[in-house]
Amino acid sequence: KAGVTQTPRYLIKTRGQQVTLSCSPISGHRSVSWYQQTPGQGLQFLFEYFSETQRNKGNFPGRFSGRQFSNSRSEMNVSTLELGDSALYLCASSLGQGLYSEQFFGPGTRLTVL
Amino acid sequence: LAKTTQPISMDSYEGQEVNITCSHNNIATNDYITWYQQFPSQGPRFIIQGYKTKVTNEVASLFIPADRKSSTLSLPRVSLSDTAVYYCLVGDSLSSASKIIFGSGTRLSIRP
Repeated sequence: KAGVTQTPRYLIKTRGQQVTLSCSPISGHRSVSWYQQTPGQGLQFLFEYFSETQRNKGNFPGRFSGRQFSNSRSEMNVSTLELGDSALYLCASSLGQGLYSEQFFGPGTRLTVL
Repeated sequence: LAKTTQPISMDSYEGQEVNITCSHNNIATNDYITWYQQFPSQGPRFIIQGYKTKVTNEVASLFIPADRKSSTLSLPRVSLSDTAVYYCLVGDSLSSASKIIFGSGTRLSIRP
């Protein structure tokens, strides 16, 4: 069974631009969560989607948004990029809803904002 | 709010048993304890989850005392490939997002 895939793997943007990251969960998984990882702040939860509905949201500004499609694929969008948005963005999928179900993480998208 | 506290780093040698303890004094009745492992430039990988007493799988054991205020991840006979960061999480499937805290984790270094 294929794992979680994320595209693109690497991305370079400039301040003020916007970016869209994509995540394809493991087949059959209906829950997708997004995380931001930086050396300074560690691994921080962004949001969770289950059956196309945002179920949980972390403490991030409104510039960070996401959605989930009927096939469970998910996208996250960051608008008006800031230097501090440079990070590894991780997507995780799970069979059931709830952030404490076993989550399977993708390889991440490394975003660099210049 | 079940915050967790783990040692920042630990060192050990190949073939040894490694025990990493996590403190979670404010754990709630419905909370489970979950451990993840992360290698550099990769996403975390689920290791084990438990509620009370002892849980064992093919890679680790998880010991949880009766008061559940702490837990210990035990890795038997570690190898160089066990060098990674280990995260302890506490919560349940109904937790609000703000309670999902990975923390700094424990950086485990295994030497030959």
